[in-house]
Amino acid sequence: SYVLTQPPSVSVAPGQTARITCGGNNIGSKSVHWYQQKPGQAPVLVVYDDSDRPSGIPERFSGSNSGNTATLTISRVEAGDEADYYCQVWDSSSDHRGVFGGGTKLTVL
Amino acid sequence: EVQLVESGGGLVKPGGSLRLSCAASGFTFSSYSMNWVRQAPGKGLEWVSSISSSSSYIYYADSVKGRFTISRDNAKNSLYLQMNSLRAEDTAVYYCARVREWYSGSYPGPTDYWGQGTLVTVSS
Repeated sequence: SYVLTQPPSVSVAPGQTARITCGGNNIGSKSVHWYQQKPGQAPVLVVYDDSDRPSGIPERFSGSNSGNTATLTISRVEAGDEADYYCQVWDSSSDHRGVFGGGTKLTVL
Repeated sequence: EVQLVESGGGLVKPGGSLRLSCAASGFTFSSYSMNWVRQAPGKGLEWVSSISSSSSYIYYADSVKGRFTISRDNAKNSLYLQMNSLRAEDTAVYYCARVREWYSGSYPGPTDYWGQGTLVTVSS
């Protein structure tokens, strides 16, 4: 089965840039979506199809995807960005299924 | 305003059954595919099942295949998840979520709206 690997945690100071990676075999050939989840809340889509932003999501959130790694980049990090972030793809290689990464806890120092 | 409201969660014994419902409003339900996604306490997100707008395509995670059944009633703007033979490891918050678009390769794209979730606890 397809596996997505994320670092458990990333820490960054306010105003700096946070990069959260999502590793998977040839993930560059798939569409990657990113979700933000704050404690006690439902997830929110922040980037889809590798690098598109839903309406209402700040331009500070961007994404890229190539080779075996997709990356969510958050520029000018704010305290309110502290949350868990999950990457997600659809794996249709063998049997159709959705796959989430294990999640990354972003801490704003 | 898009709203997804789940119901039907609760405490059930191992081997028991539950039926989750999701009431959708604020959009044309019959035009959108839907997902169920769950999250065990303190754990990450796990995709459970997807259903296309006309129920032509249905997919399940291996962990629930043969035990769970997703369905929808477009006339009632409702999504369902029938859960049978429940196990302790099925304990989680279950989210109903709307799929933003269905890709031409016959699979769902990103999930753009989520409900607040309903807690299912499987315990004796």
